[in-house]
Amino acid sequence: DAGVTQSPTHLIKTRGQQVTLRCSPKSGHDTVSWYQQALGQGPQFIFQYYEEEERQRGNFPDRFSGHQFPNYSSELNVNALLLGDSALYLCASSLLPRVPGGYTFGSGTRLTVV
Amino acid sequence: DAKTTQPNSMESNEEEPVHLPCNHSTISGTDYIHWYRQLPSQGPEYVIHGLTSNVNNRMASLAIAEDRKSSTLILHRATLRDAAVYYCILSVNNDMRFGAGTRLTVKP
Repeated sequence: DAGVTQSPTHLIKTRGQQVTLRCSPKSGHDTVSWYQQALGQGPQFIFQYYEEEERQRGNFPDRFSGHQFPNYSSELNVNALLLGDSALYLCASSLLPRVPGGYTFGSGTRLTVV
Repeated sequence: DAKTTQPNSMESNEEEPVHLPCNHSTISGTDYIHWYRQLPSQGPEYVIHGLTSNVNNRMASLAIAEDRKSSTLILHRATLRDAAVYYCILSVNNDMRFGAGTRLTVKP
């Protein structure tokens, strides 16, 4: 049973560039949530997608946008990259209605902005 | 969202029990208590969850205070593989919001 798959695993971008990260949810899951985790901190919620719509959003600027496709996979886009965007980006999938303990996380994409 | 308070770090010896505390004095009646852990270089993984009663699974036990204002994650015999950051999260609709967690170090 495949879990959550994220790609790429690592990438390096230059300040001001744009980046797209990808996530394939666990089989049977229909909801995708994205998190940003800076070094030494807990994951911070960016947004969540369900039925191809942004359902909830955390305290992140509009430079962070996303998309969910009909097959439930998702993309996270970040425009005008800043040095402070360097972090581990985590994708989690789950099922609506939500089952307690039903989040499955990927291993993340490590983004470095130079 | 209701807040949780956890110690920044804890140490344990291998093969000894570990009790990881979490305070959540503003918990509401419908909040579930979730525990996730994050091993080095991995995403968080589910450990256990509960509402009012104590819970056991193959990974751990969750002891919930009678007033639900605190809980304790219990690892019965810590192994080196249990070294991780442990997050205590409250959620009414199972949306996960993480705090800083407790970094558990297991000494051989």
